[in-house]
Amino acid sequence: GAVVSQHPSRVICKSGTSVKIECRSLDFQATTMFWYRQFPKKSLMLMATSNEGSKATYEQGVEKDKFLINHASLTLSTLTVTSAHPEDSSFYICSARSGGYNEQFFGPGTRLTVL
Amino acid sequence: LAKTTQPISMDSYEGQEVNITCSHNNIATNDYITWYQQFPSQGPRFIIQGYKTKVTNEVASLFIPADRKSSTLSLPRVSLSDTAVYYCLVGDPVSGSSASKIIFGSGTRLSIRP
Repeated sequence: GAVVSQHPSRVICKSGTSVKIECRSLDFQATTMFWYRQFPKKSLMLMATSNEGSKATYEQGVEKDKFLINHASLTLSTLTVTSAHPEDSSFYICSARSGGYNEQFFGPGTRLTVL
Repeated sequence: LAKTTQPISMDSYEGQEVNITCSHNNIATNDYITWYQQFPSQGPRFIIQGYKTKVTNEVASLFIPADRKSSTLSLPRVSLSDTAVYYCLVGDPVSGSSASKIIFGSGTRLSIRP
């Protein structure tokens, strides 16, 4: 199947700093990308949906000014956690889907730890 | 968006067949049913997808009754490496549609014992 990568795989940062996570579709063009977060032993929670070249659509309760999403090209989406705090520590997972295709391909996830 | 209900956890033994059932009573006409597997600290991995009746691939089978209000993932002869969380998802695959996002339910934590 298609491959989606995330970088970095894990990051540790100090409280108050901003962290950028990249999501890339390596062998297909992703018209739509999704960002999820997952707490330990919990299910994935959808944060936002982004379509290439347009603004992301955020789920209810997700602060768009805190979690900045950019989907500037068909192969790259970035999630920036601004002014990170310890409660933002989580596992962030992206997924990508090409136009008109049923399957959604997931990245390996990024473990964010905010000290 | 159709909500799904699955058992929270299941236990089985190596070599057994495992069937995980998912309820999705308000599934819409355009919705497909997709199952994903997730290991700890990894992204979900696609297992199988179907719309109706039966779908089979090299790792699993998916049974969907005529009313499509439920579906059953069947894993033949499980091994220890099948220990994971399994998610049943229902969604409209039409790209660009506001209904095309996929929402994860709680999933089923499957534990396989020797």
